[in-house]
Parts: sequence; structure tokens; C-alpha cells
Amino acid sequence: ETGVTQSPTHLIKTRGQQVTLRCSSQSGHNTVSWYQQALGQGPQFIFQYYREEENGRGNFPPRFSGLQFPNYSSELNVNALLLGDSALYLCASSTWTGMTDTQYFGPGTRLTVL
Amino acid sequence: AQRVTQPEKLLSVFKGAPVELKCNYSYSGSPELFWYVQYSRQRLQLLLRHISRESIKGFTADLNKGETSFHLKKPFAQEEDSAMYYCALLNAGGTSYGKLTFGQGTILTVHP
Repeated sequence: ETGVTQSPTHLIKTRGQQVTLRCSSQSGHNTVSWYQQALGQGPQFIFQYYREEENGRGNFPPRFSGLQFPNYSSELNVNALLLGDSALYLCASSTWTGMTDTQYFGPGTRLTVL
Repeated sequence: AQRVTQPEKLLSVFKGAPVELKCNYSYSGSPELFWYVQYSRQRLQLLLRHISRESIKGFTADLNKGETSFHLKKPFAQEEDSAMYYCALLNAGGTSYGKLTFGQGTILTVHP
């Protein structure tokens, strides 16, 4: 069984740029959630994707957007980067079977905005 | 709005001592709660989920709806338990469906 994988591991961008982060879900999982974890804080929910559609969203502006593909992998896109977007971005996959299931996390992508 | 509070940022105990990591929550619906653990240089991983009523690595957690708490306990701490622990609450409805709300985390250090 393959766990959740994320790429890249680290990324450095400058203010105003755009970034795309990628996530491959765990085998057998059809739902992907994204979280932002600032230094010293717990993860904050960005959004969740199921069947290639956004299924739920936290308090993040529209410049945070996502995609889910038919193979259940996912991308997180952030436009017009701000210094405050510097964080660890976590992807979690789970299975929707009519009720919520446990979310399993990837190792994260560390984004630094200069 | 749902909220999870872990009042202790740091917790230190000696090996063999009992340990309790506190978690309080605020949620209008029926709560579904988790404990996640992050060992040094490893990913966030599930420790236990309250509906499973399992004991993982000797840890247990009981949901107390009256006190809105979900404290994590272990009778005899081991050095390998040293890690960051997060309590999390699942939102099972509304526009933030599937959202896990995490506490700030507690760093547990078990001394030899």
C-alpha cells in the first residue's frame, strides 16, 4: 500500500508569483484535503476535493484554488503569493463511503515566500 | 464556530510516569475527535479516533461530552512517546465539510 506523497519537498518563491503543489493520494482513497501549517501552529483547513469537485472550504481567499484529477491526485494553486503564505502545506487523503473517514497525511511541502 | 483547545504547549514527564494531554473542544453537533502524533522528522499520523475505542501504543482517550473534553492518557510514559500531539475535531456538515480543526499541539517530552 502506497501512502500519501507530495511534491516538491521544498519551494522558494517571491511575492506576487504563483505556485502549484502536488499530492498523490493513498491507494484506495478518493478524497483529498489540503491544510496550511504555519510555524508553531496546528494545521488549518484550506479545502477538500471529492469526485473532482471542491467539497468543503475553510477561511482562505479565492487565490487559493485546487484541482482533483480522475486518478484522485490533486493540486493546490496559490496566486499572487504573499509573505504570509510561507508555511508547510499538507495534503491528506481519505475515503468517502457515505460517512467521513480518517484522513492520512503526506509529508508536506515547505513553501518559503521571499 | 468549532474550536479545539490544547492548553499545554509543553509537557514534560519522566519515564514510567502517567501522562495526560488535555484537549477541549467547542462544537454544536455530535463531535468526532482524533488524536494525531508527529514524531521528529516524520509526517503527521493518526494515533487514535474516538469512535474506534482502540488503545494505540498504550494511549487511550475518552470523550466527555459534559465537559467537552477528549484528553489523551497513558499510564506509563516511554521515551519513544516524545513527540508533538495534536487533538483534532472533524466537521461533518456545512460549507467546511471534511474540515479537521486542530488544536495548537502539545510537545511531550519523556525524560529517562
